[in-house]
Amino acid sequence: DQQVKQNSPSLSVQEGRISILNCDYTNSMFDYFLWYKKYPAEGPTFLISISSIKDKNEDGRFTVFLNKSAKHLSLHIVPSQPGDSAVYFCAAPAAGGSYIPTFGRGTSLIVHP
Amino acid sequence: DAGITQSPRHKVTETGTPVTLRCHQTENHRYMYWYRQDPGHGLRLIHYSYGVKDTDKGEVSDGYSVSRSKTEDFLLTLESATSSQTSVYFCAISGAGSSYEQYFGPGTRLTVT
Repeated sequence: DQQVKQNSPSLSVQEGRISILNCDYTNSMFDYFLWYKKYPAEGPTFLISISSIKDKNEDGRFTVFLNKSAKHLSLHIVPSQPGDSAVYFCAAPAAGGSYIPTFGRGTSLIVHP
Repeated sequence: DAGITQSPRHKVTETGTPVTLRCHQTENHRYMYWYRQDPGHGLRLIHYSYGVKDTDKGEVSDGYSVSRSKTEDFLLTLESATSSQTSVYFCAISGAGSSYEQYFGPGTRLTVT
C-alpha cells in the first residue's frame, strides 16, 4: 500500500513553459515533504522541501505547494529548461520525526528544446 | 557534495553466489540506508542503520543482510544472489541536525545471471 503516490510516470513539457509534478499522500501524520531529482546513472539529489506548517516554499525556479486538506503537494518548475529533464521523486519521512522516508515511484520529466 | 562512495560501481555475478556491496561516508552522519531502484517501483528501502551495530529492516529486506561496525561503513550482503536482485543499489546518509534530507551515493549496478 503506497503512502506516497506519484500517479504520473512521465511528463513532457516545452522549454520555457511550466512543469507541474504532482504527489499525493495518505498518511495525515506526515509533516515534512521532500523532492529529489535523479539523472540517469547518478544518485538522487535533494531539490527542495516543505514543512506542513507552510503551504509554499520557493527556491529559484522551483516552488513546492502543499495542500494538507487534499493531502497533495506539487512541484512547479518555471521556466522549464532541458537540463531539468530527470526523474523526480517525492518523499515523506515517517511521522513523528522519523528519519525513515517513504518515496513515491517517481515522475520522469522531459523538457523539449 | 556529501562524501559518500559505493563500491563496486558495477558487478556481474552468478545466481547463488554471495555478494557484498560497500558504502563509505566521510560525513559522520548517524543514519545510513540501502535502497534498490527498479523500473516502476521507484526507490525501495532494503535496510537502514541508526548507529554502529544498530540496524533495522526496510520494506524489501528478504534475501539481504547488513552490517555496520564503524560509523563510516555500511555493508549490504546478498547471501545467495538471485536474478530478482538484479537492480541498481543506492546508499544514502542523513542525520545532520534536524534535517531530513538524505544524500545519496552514485549507485552500484548489480546484474545476477
